Amino acid sequence: ETGVTQSPTHLIKTRGQQVTLRCSSQSGHNTVSWYQQALGQGPQFIFQYYREEENGRGNFPPRFSGLQFPNYSSELNVNALELDDSALYLCASSAGTGGTGELFFGEGSRLTVL
Amino acid sequence: AQSVTQLGSHVSVSEGALVLLRCNYSSSVPPYLFWYVQYPNQGLQLLLKYTSAATLVKGINGFEAEFKKSETSFHLTKPSAHMRDAAEYFCAVSEAAGNKLTFGGGTRVLVKP
Repeated sequence: ETGVTQSPTHLIKTRGQQVTLRCSSQSGHNTVSWYQQALGQGPQFIFQYYREEENGRGNFPPRFSGLQFPNYSSELNVNALELDDSALYLCASSAGTGGTGELFFGEGSRLTVL
Repeated sequence: AQSVTQLGSHVSVSEGALVLLRCNYSSSVPPYLFWYVQYPNQGLQLLLKYTSAATLVKGINGFEAEFKKSETSFHLTKPSAHMRDAAEYFCAVSEAAGNKLTFGGGTRVLVKP
C-alpha cells in the first residue's frame, strides 16, 4: 500500500510568483484535503476535494486554488505569492467524506517566499 | 464554529514520567476528536481518535485519551515517557467524519533522560 506522497519537498519562490504543489493520495482514497502549517502553528484547512469537486473551503483567498484528477491525485496552486505564504503545505487523503474520518498525511511541501 | 485550545505550547518531562497534554474544544455538534503527532520534518501521524464510542480511547505507542463532554476536554496521557516520544502533538476536532479538521496550536514535548 502506497502512502500519501507530495512534491516537491522544498521550494523557494519570490513574491508575486506562482507555485504548484502536487499530491498523490493513498491507494483506494478518493478524497484529498490540503492544509497550511505556518512555523510554530497548527495546520489550517485550505480546502478538500472529493471525486474531482471542491467539497469545502477554509478561510483562504481565491488565489489559493486546487484540482483533483480522475486518479484522485491533486494539485494546490497559489498565485501572486506573499511572504506570509511561507509554510509547510500538507496534503491528506481519506476514503470518502464519511466513515471514521481518519486522514492520512503526506510529509509536506515546505514553501519559502522571499 | 469549532475551535481547539491546547494548554502549554511546550512540555518537558523526564523519561519514565507521566505525559499529560491538555486539549479543550468547542463544537456546536457532537464532535469527532483526534490527536496527531508530528516528528521533525515529517507529516502528521494519527495517534488516536474519538468518534462517539467509548469515552476512553487507546491509541498507538501507549497513548490514551479520555473524552469528557462536561469539561469539553480530550486530554492525552501516557503513563511512562520514552525518548522517542519527543515530538509535537496536535489535538484536532471535526464536526463530521471526513470533514475538515480544526487543529490546536500544538504542544512540543521534550523528554529528558
